[in-house]
Amino acid sequence: AQSVAQPEDQVNVAEGNPLTVKCTYSVSGNPYLFWYVQYPNRGLQFLLKYITGDNLVKGSYGFEAEFNKSQTSFHLKKPSALVSDSALYFCAVRDEDFNKFYFGSGTKLNVKP
Amino acid sequence: EAGVTQFPSHSVIEKGQTVTLRCDPISGHDNLYWYRRVMGKEIKFLLHFVKESKQDESGMPNNRFLAERTGGTYSTLKVQPAELEDSGVYFCASSHHRRGLMNTEAFFGQGTRLTVV
Repeated sequence: AQSVAQPEDQVNVAEGNPLTVKCTYSVSGNPYLFWYVQYPNRGLQFLLKYITGDNLVKGSYGFEAEFNKSQTSFHLKKPSALVSDSALYFCAVRDEDFNKFYFGSGTKLNVKP
Repeated sequence: EAGVTQFPSHSVIEKGQTVTLRCDPISGHDNLYWYRRVMGKEIKFLLHFVKESKQDESGMPNNRFLAERTGGTYSTLKVQPAELEDSGVYFCASSHHRRGLMNTEAFFGQGTRLTVV
């Protein structure tokens, strides 16, 4: 069965510092991994995805994620956080057979000035 | 291009009442999904349409929930009668439907926040 775990409910980081939001996954087939962000009163916005190829994936707003097959992880990273990055971040895996997404519980990112 | 739109954005109803949520997917997207997030929990799959057909409704909590997608366009999700535990944010998403095209992301609406009191 497919599942995603986001072990941190909240991540606090100072503006300008690097940030990491953690995600681990469990899939029975090939991992198709996604990160979405939800700003207050907004819908989920696509950030980036891993399908195949390079383990380091670059996405919107300067975010990137590193796929690690041996650790079954897909952590979201950004070298220098902005206050405007404060939002709720969701990791997701797409089921190859049934074409649906499985989401983690979300991580609230707080970037303080 | 218009995104996925959902209506209403908020709904507060009493236990036992009926509520209907609506989702208009991106034009041309055959896949339409409903998801729900209960406070602080993960976003859970409810069901999946391909055009007007229900592809997978394994996530529907019980028979108080009824989803339809008339003519393969917009979709409605009706809760009747609503219970307290139905409170949460209901998201709709759409994507292209092409077999084997697993790299397609889904586009989400802003969600409907349902509060049952």
